Amino acid sequence: GQQVMQIPQYQHVQEGEDFTTYCNSSTTLSNIQWYKQRPGGHPVFLIQLVKSGEVKKQKRLTFQFGEAKKNSSLHITATQTTDVGTYFCAGRNNAGGTSYGKLTFGQGTILTVHP
Amino acid sequence: GAVVSQHPSRVICKSGTSVKIECRSLDFQATTMFWYRQFPKKSLMLMATSNEGSKATYEQGVEKDKFLINHASLTLSTLTVTSAHPEDSSFYICSASLSSGALYNEQFFGPGTRLTVL
Repeated sequence: GQQVMQIPQYQHVQEGEDFTTYCNSSTTLSNIQWYKQRPGGHPVFLIQLVKSGEVKKQKRLTFQFGEAKKNSSLHITATQTTDVGTYFCAGRNNAGGTSYGKLTFGQGTILTVHP
Repeated sequence: GAVVSQHPSRVICKSGTSVKIECRSLDFQATTMFWYRQFPKKSLMLMATSNEGSKATYEQGVEKDKFLINHASLTLSTLTVTSAHPEDSSFYICSASLSSGALYNEQFFGPGTRLTVL
């Protein structure tokens, strides 16, 4: 079945440093989504990427979708303590015609930011 | 908008008992709901996809007789953990999509239910 690998598993940064998490799928994706889960909370949708090579920005966050639609990255510029949490990528594959919205989540990257 | 609630938020039960968890879409109709299980510091593992008015689709390795899912209305899906055992202790999270069959809709997650089986 489809597998989505995410690295690194953990990332500790000093406040103000940049942070990047990478996501790779074993199959071509129809789209990829990113979620953030704060400690003790539930995942919250950040963004969805659909097009090959797509780049989207949300303030200090930059999301990229690879040309082959098999990898993606999330980059945070100048991290802040409010960025702490686990960042998940989640891929959707429409192969075989299944289009009910099933997402395969990566393992997540736990980000800690030291003030 | 697009708020999903879960009840209870936390439950402690004895081994052998059954526990029902409710997932509700508060301000929209969700024809498709998803149930996930999450272990500490781990990813979300999809257990099953629940479609209103039909049987749930379970992921490989998930026992359908153990984890009973009912999606009787467009705003409510329930997960019942039958004859719970300590290894069933976990964080259970539901999510809902705005419409079934859509490729690109995001999923709105409930706050989760922490189940502890003694």
